[in-house]
Amino acid sequence: EVQLLESGGGLVQPGGSLRLSCVASGFTFSNYVMSWVRQAPGKGLEWVSAISETDGSTYYADSVKGRFTMSRDNSKSTLYLQMNSLRAEDTALYYCAKCGNRVTNFDYWGQGTLVTVSS
Amino acid sequence: QSVLTQPPSVSAAPGQKVTSSCSGSSSNIGKNYVSWYQQLPGTAPKLLIYDNNKRPSGIPDRFSGSKSGTSATLGITGLQTGDEADYYCVTWDSSLRAVLFGGGTKLTVL
Repeated sequence: EVQLLESGGGLVQPGGSLRLSCVASGFTFSNYVMSWVRQAPGKGLEWVSAISETDGSTYYADSVKGRFTMSRDNSKSTLYLQMNSLRAEDTALYYCAKCGNRVTNFDYWGQGTLVTVSS
Repeated sequence: QSVLTQPPSVSAAPGQKVTSSCSGSSSNIGKNYVSWYQQLPGTAPKLLIYDNNKRPSGIPDRFSGSKSGTSATLGITGLQTGDEADYYCVTWDSSLRAVLFGGGTKLTVL
């Protein structure tokens, strides 16, 4: 059974940093592109970033480019999202998602970890 | 404001059919596959349709997808109250080199 378990969310002040983690199980982690998708309270879904299976190539939404860094440790089946220079508009539930045959096919999702940016 | 445009809401009666559109451009829907997601209240999204019109295992054939030009459509037949959810279209934008989500459509089963 595929499982994705996010952690690391919490309350942080504007300008602060946070690192999210996502531990994967039930599939060969190193074979799949992975993504982060977020959802602000009461709003729609927003793609944040994606990372390739092995060479670590990353892609980011313009809204987080230069502030967020996505990485992975295939030996630990773990995904990371380092978030710096956080803003109030980054407040959201952050989902980790496994991509299927394309980066737009999120076939499994975690339950999310909540990030709140507030003073 | 999303690059992919979806109607904010659609509604229909139980047992009826409903369609929901997703409008984009030549750099996204026009040249890339579209997927659709269902998000029930308080839950994580679920993949409904991928590669324009394919259904993952376990998704009933009441759900269908199509694409024409720079628009895509999600269809749901035999509506059930359990289908009340938010529905999102997703595609890749070749110019932005980014994944795009539509703004979402809230389905109400009257």
